[in-house]
Amino acid sequence: DIVMTQSPDSLAVSLGERATVNCKSSQSVLSTSNNKNYLSWYQHKPGQPPKLLFYWASTRESGVPDRFSGSGSETDFTLTISSLQAEDVAVYYCQQNFGPPYSFGQGTKLEIK
Amino acid sequence: QLQLQESGPGLVKPSETLSLTCTVSGGSITSSTYDWGWIRQPPGKGLEWIGSIQSSGSTDYRASLNSRITVIADTSKNQFSLKLTSVTAADTAVYYCARRGCSRCPFRYWGQGMLVIVSS
Repeated sequence: DIVMTQSPDSLAVSLGERATVNCKSSQSVLSTSNNKNYLSWYQHKPGQPPKLLFYWASTRESGVPDRFSGSGSETDFTLTISSLQAEDVAVYYCQQNFGPPYSFGQGTKLEIK
Repeated sequence: QLQLQESGPGLVKPSETLSLTCTVSGGSITSSTYDWGWIRQPPGKGLEWIGSIQSSGSTDYRASLNSRITVIADTSKNQFSLKLTSVTAADTAVYYCARRGCSRCPFRYWGQGMLVIVSS
């Protein structure tokens, strides 16, 4: 099974500052056949279902503000919020879509400092 | 607009069977190569994919649940269902149903989630 590990577990950032969440997979999620990384990012707020932010590691879902960016390849991935807004307070999860079980990271709780 | 809605008992006794249904509106569960999944979140913990059924009818399950989990589709009602047998307190969670475009795609559409408590 592919194990997804996020860091840090929690993060407090001032409004307008940069927030960075890291995600590491225990094995590569890069498909050599199409050069796609099967890695997604979700934003999860209390009382709501998770919201897809990125897929293929860096492809932004429609409607996601461009202050959010995704990067990385093979086993190391990063979600960056360039200028934190109050509405970005949430738990962020990475998930590998490479193969079952389609595991999630443990989550990173993002708060305002 | 595709919508998914979970339904079922919110309280299940230990050793009994948890049964949830996801009703899909705004799209057919038999269309294309879609994958219809169940994801859960135990209280205070993270998200866990537990199983999926593809539009073809094939299924994937989390190995640790493999002997207890079944996901089936009812095309006449445009629903898919989760059955988890011999439940314990560890199965207490918010259960989400969700759809993705393929088995390697992200989950783009989610239900609101339903809390199921396992307790006597």
